[in-house]
Amino acid sequence: QSALTQPASVSGSPGQSITISCTGTSSDVGSYNLVSWYQQHPGKAPKLMIYEVSKRPSGVSNRFSGSKSGNTASLTISGLQAEDEADYYCCSYAGSVLFGGGTKLTVL
Amino acid sequence: QAQLVESGGGVVQPGRSLRLSCAASGFTFSNYAMHWVRQAPGKGLEWVAVVSHDGSDIRDADSVKGRFTISRDNSKNTLYLQMNSLRAEDTAVYFCATQYCSRTGCYLYYFDHWGQGTLVTVSS
Repeated sequence: QSALTQPASVSGSPGQSITISCTGTSSDVGSYNLVSWYQQHPGKAPKLMIYEVSKRPSGVSNRFSGSKSGNTASLTISGLQAEDEADYYCCSYAGSVLFGGGTKLTVL
Repeated sequence: QAQLVESGGGVVQPGRSLRLSCAASGFTFSNYAMHWVRQAPGKGLEWVAVVSHDGSDIRDADSVKGRFTISRDNSKNTLYLQMNSLRAEDTAVYFCATQYCSRTGCYLYYFDHWGQGTLVTVSS
């Protein structure tokens, strides 16, 4: 199984919205609503931001939202803030756990 | 406040073995499935293995199958990863993590509380 495909980098200005895509196949992202998203700041452990495609754990800002269409999942961050600058990883399950390659978000 | 502290990392020669530990506190360890996830330097995340809350069910990634063994001791609130036949490509920071549990249920393949990680370097 191959890793999920994410853009290497995205950027946006404070207050704007950005979307990070995560493309898999009909065997993983397309077949299961088991997509999650993690935020990782440099030198830190990842943090669960979205699970089951679009659900937010308690304590995660509602500026973060998730969706899925076909084989592609998406993470949208609205009202960008400086502290959102981090790496973001998507994750799916398909008999085994697959991560995306990660996307570096830069807040300009 | 859940806390996970990994230990046991270091520099090891190819083909040798290493055992990682993850000490848990601040939550009922025996109620949670536990994972190991690794991250090669400058690279992305890679899931390694999971053990059920009682140790009865284990699953692991193809990349470590037959070489790595995940286990736990609920009496000691500790998770382990026995790594044998280490290769250069196993060089990574190894994180332990709990499964995610919400008010409505627990989900095996989402990762909630994480440790700070321990670095394993496989090099001659």
